[in-house]
Amino acid sequence: DQQVKQNSPSLSVQEGRISILNCDYTNSMFDYFLWYKKYPAEGPTFLISISSIKDKNEDGRFTVFLNKSAKHLSLHIVPSQPGDSAVYFCAAPMDSNYQLIWGAGTKLIIKP
Amino acid sequence: NAGVTQTPKFRVLKTGQSMTLLCAQDMNHEYMYWYRQDPGMGLRLIHYSVGEGTTAKGEVPDGYNVSRLKKQNFLLGLESAAPSQTSVYFCASSYKPYEQYFGPGTRLTVT
Repeated sequence: DQQVKQNSPSLSVQEGRISILNCDYTNSMFDYFLWYKKYPAEGPTFLISISSIKDKNEDGRFTVFLNKSAKHLSLHIVPSQPGDSAVYFCAAPMDSNYQLIWGAGTKLIIKP
Repeated sequence: NAGVTQTPKFRVLKTGQSMTLLCAQDMNHEYMYWYRQDPGMGLRLIHYSVGEGTTAKGEVPDGYNVSRLKKQNFLLGLESAAPSQTSVYFCASSYKPYEQYFGPGTRLTVT
């Protein structure tokens, strides 16, 4: 049973436009969420996080929105740049606080 | 400052062979993790460690063993490799549980 779901395997966006990546979760106990970015042949790198006490967190071009009632979060990238082409994973810690549950990832392609 | 390094980067094993993957970090992090990533799936935690001399099982521990004899190193062992263990293995470390720093990965093929 996937507790963290990223239903779009890939997304193609024009350079300069907004990229919106979505993530759904089923476990209402999750209270913290993270987004990681991964380039080919590299490990994931931490991008941005959000606590359930907030509904928005912003860091430069990246903003994460959290809708607790819908169990949904989204990552907005504005404006999208070619270097943003990567696979994006959302993740949430289990109760143990050590184990992150990961979505399957969304491959973002930024078209010039 | 090398961050998290993994050795080797690639390896091909025959069924039944054994091997050890080495992870090293130079950030003085307490927490270390071993994940595997399979096509179309997110990362799955194999084992983790919350400090030198400690280890614990993650989501998919069967067929793997780990050791953390030194704070900076975390070893992942496969005693008898199986084709189902063909995967990309990532090591990570962190100073707090959530925001993990990852190594570049080891691509393992078991034939």
